[in-house]
Amino acid sequence: GENVEQHPSTLSVQEGDSAVIKCTYSDSASNYFPWYKQELGKGPQLIIDIRSNVGEKKDQRIAVTLNKTAKHFSLHITETQPEDSAVYFCAASKGSGYSTLTFGKGTMLLVSP
Amino acid sequence: NAGVMQNPRHLVRRRGQEARLRCSPMKGHSHVYWYRQLPEEGLKFMVYLQKENIIDESGMPKERFSAEFPKEGPSILRIQQVVRGDSAAYFCASILGSGSETQYFGPGTRLLVL
Repeated sequence: GENVEQHPSTLSVQEGDSAVIKCTYSDSASNYFPWYKQELGKGPQLIIDIRSNVGEKKDQRIAVTLNKTAKHFSLHITETQPEDSAVYFCAASKGSGYSTLTFGKGTMLLVSP
Repeated sequence: NAGVMQNPRHLVRRRGQEARLRCSPMKGHSHVYWYRQLPEEGLKFMVYLQKENIIDESGMPKERFSAEFPKEGPSILRIQQVVRGDSAAYFCASILGSGSETQYFGPGTRLLVL
């Protein structure tokens, strides 16, 4: 089955700095890669996703890149703000149909003012 | 449009009791997933259902756990004879249909087994 590795497990940055979280996956059939943000006591919230037919996607301060050859995808957050502090999860699935998500173990991002 | 709803938000049970967790998908969504999250871990898939049908239960323990999604009403995850190891956060997510990819998560039910 699919295996998703996520690094780092914790990341501390100063407000205004950039943050990068990296994930690798094992199943070459995976073609859908969402990123979720989970705040304390809440459910995961989708922040951005990418499909395997594109290499990069941006949404304001958030971007995701995908390298299908290396089976690697990354989340980039620019101009970080304290409210970005949360746990971020990457995930992978084979897409529509039985699109069960396999999650990484999460990255706790702390943005200090 | 209301999001995915789960109740109760917190549930305390003693060992040997039963736990029932409920999930109402987003309006118009006909498929739900259940995931379990242990402390400081990612979410692990348990079961995937559409109304009146279990599509994939490969992530669910064979004993004590069951799930259903009736024609009317919420999806229910049932844990019989709970043990301390069942303590976790249980999340459900819904999708519009089998051709959809984006999963929308509820706020979760935090189960504590004493």
